[in-house]
Amino acid sequence: AQSVTQLGSHVSVSEGALVLLRCNYSSSVPPYLFWYVQYPNQGLQLLLKYTSAATLVKGINGFEAEFKKSETSFHLTKPSAHMSDAAEYFCAVSGGSNYKLTFGKGTLLTVNP
Amino acid sequence: DTGVSQDPRHKITKRGQNVTFRCDPISEHNRLYWYRQTLGQGPEFLTYFQNEAQLEKSRLLSDRFSAERPKGSFSTLEIQRTEQGDSAMYLCASSPTLNTGELFFGEGSRLTVL
Repeated sequence: AQSVTQLGSHVSVSEGALVLLRCNYSSSVPPYLFWYVQYPNQGLQLLLKYTSAATLVKGINGFEAEFKKSETSFHLTKPSAHMSDAAEYFCAVSGGSNYKLTFGKGTLLTVNP
Repeated sequence: DTGVSQDPRHKITKRGQNVTFRCDPISEHNRLYWYRQTLGQGPEFLTYFQNEAQLEKSRLLSDRFSAERPKGSFSTLEIQRTEQGDSAMYLCASSPTLNTGELFFGEGSRLTVL
């Protein structure tokens, strides 16, 4: 069984500040890990993914995440927040033959001017 | 590549009515997934197809829900005798058979049951 815990349902940062969104996972098999972003009334867009290659993964829009097996974490960061980053972010884990994703509850990111 | 398409985008219905949602996956994708997302929650898995075969169903998929994927192309999700608790965003996603788990999502169909 797999699960994802996202710490903090709402994160608020100032424009230009560091963004840190936390994700911890549980998986009985080597996981694939993902971050998706969702803008209001839209579907989910992939930001980045970890698939057992490099532990530091770079994604779109300047985001990156680091896989830490010892901490079972996959936190998402961006050095400098932009107003356009305001959205809901979901961490997800995949495993097993059907590749279905198990999502966390999401973190709403607010960027203040 | 036109992406995953879902129809309708919005549906308002009265309790007890039946509704059907359609999903057109990316053309070369064999795997198709349905998820449900309620306000303030992450998407929850409902069901999964490999081509036309429905290989997994979540316990969330009650007897009032049925999904099909005839000929392994588009898929439909039908909800019979809708209840207010069915109000949610229904998301469809697809992926190729050989992949690393990335799902490609449509923009969703939002259901409001009055």
